[in-house]
Amino acid sequence: KNQVEQSPQSLIILEGKNCTLQCNYTVSPFSNLRWYKQDTGRGPVSLTIMTFSENTKSNGRYTATLDADTKQSSLHITASQLSDSASYICVVRTLTGGGNKLTFGTGTQLKVEL
Amino acid sequence: DGGITQSPKYLFRKEGQNVTLSCEQNLNHDAMYWYRQDPGQGLRLIYYSQIVNDFQKGDIAEGYSVSREKKESFPLTVTSAQKNPTAFYLCASSIALPDTQYFGPGTRLTVL
Repeated sequence: KNQVEQSPQSLIILEGKNCTLQCNYTVSPFSNLRWYKQDTGRGPVSLTIMTFSENTKSNGRYTATLDADTKQSSLHITASQLSDSASYICVVRTLTGGGNKLTFGTGTQLKVEL
Repeated sequence: DGGITQSPKYLFRKEGQNVTLSCEQNLNHDAMYWYRQDPGQGLRLIYYSQIVNDFQKGDIAEGYSVSREKKESFPLTVTSAQKNPTAFYLCASSIALPDTQYFGPGTRLTVL
């Protein structure tokens, strides 16, 4: 069964600190992995997308890594800001007959405090 | 101002009533999707449409219906057959099926 597991479930950090969120998946065959940021009561917004051949991709203070061998990804947030408080969702796409099967993780709820 | 819009933001209905959630996009995207989000669970696909006048069931289509009469619009009807309709509903669109999905702001439906 295709699954995406994220850890930790929730995290509280002080403003200015760094943090790393984890995503493990069992989705196969793998197409790509995307990290979304979802503010409370809003729709998710894409942060990064990574394909099989990519190890690292950055978007400002967000850096995603992918290890396709171990089926793990991480999202590192540098110098956190209050506006980083949100849920971060890992989404893995698999190649199926329909070509559009997404498996969503349950998200990591991040809170950045003063 | 391009994007994808959902209305209303909050919706309350009595048990047993059908309700229709609106989703409109002006991004000229062919594909549109409906997801349901519940606390502690990942997004689950209800229905998707690759092109006008065509739509396919997702993983949890029971109790829901959709139509795609216009490229810009993909309304979702939550019927009385849906046993647990209270949830946060997200609409998304993409240029085509495997491309990046852009999400709307969501509609929170509460059935009393």
